[in-house]
Amino acid sequence: DGGITQSPKYLFRKEGQNVTLSCEQNLNHDAMYWYRQDPGQGLRLIYYSQIVNDFQKGDIAEGYSVSREKKESFPLTVTSAQKNPTAFYLCASSPRTGGATNEKLFFGSGTQLSVL
Amino acid sequence: GESVGLHLPTLSVQEGDNSIINCAYSNSASDYFIWYKQESGKGPQFIIDIRSNMDKRQGQRVTVLLNKTVKHLSLQIAATQPGDSAVYFCAENLPPSGSARQLTFGSGTQLTVLP
Repeated sequence: DGGITQSPKYLFRKEGQNVTLSCEQNLNHDAMYWYRQDPGQGLRLIYYSQIVNDFQKGDIAEGYSVSREKKESFPLTVTSAQKNPTAFYLCASSPRTGGATNEKLFFGSGTQLSVL
Repeated sequence: GESVGLHLPTLSVQEGDNSIINCAYSNSASDYFIWYKQESGKGPQFIIDIRSNMDKRQGQRVTVLLNKTVKHLSLQIAATQPGDSAVYFCAENLPPSGSARQLTFGSGTQLTVLP
């Protein structure tokens, strides 16, 4: 089945530790996105990538880093600089850039990150 | 309608009734709108979308209405079923089209279907 796979489903971070959230898609989508979801709030954009080897900061990029070495993969690292990392993290992709229909996002199942 | 904060608006409906979920969007220049359904602990699922050159769009059991005059969006679900229980949220996108970079998401409405 085509889709977006996020792993792990649950992740715990110790103070001072960096953790990496995985996101893989087999939809052949060009663009990929990371969002953070806090209870009772709308999704907030962390980073996005429209093409391999290129990515841009979103609205809340501080304390996070990403890479886009392959079209299929867009891992997110939550660094120790992120002081309030507890949240539900969602990866998404969209078909292509520059087209008329690529605002439509397809989401993974999410990773719940908690601080120990 | 949706609001920012810790407590989501809630809507309870009887199974088989129609549901109407409302969303007030913020920017009159937004030209694309999308509704998602999110079940607890899962990622959002696309329901239906609409562009600003339309007032209404229908899908399977769902209809989206757009009122640009008052910047209001609604999602109507016909014959609501227990499986429809979830958080529903809308998103608006600013032009230029071609990227989800400027999608702004609402906080959502919790729909509960009563037996």
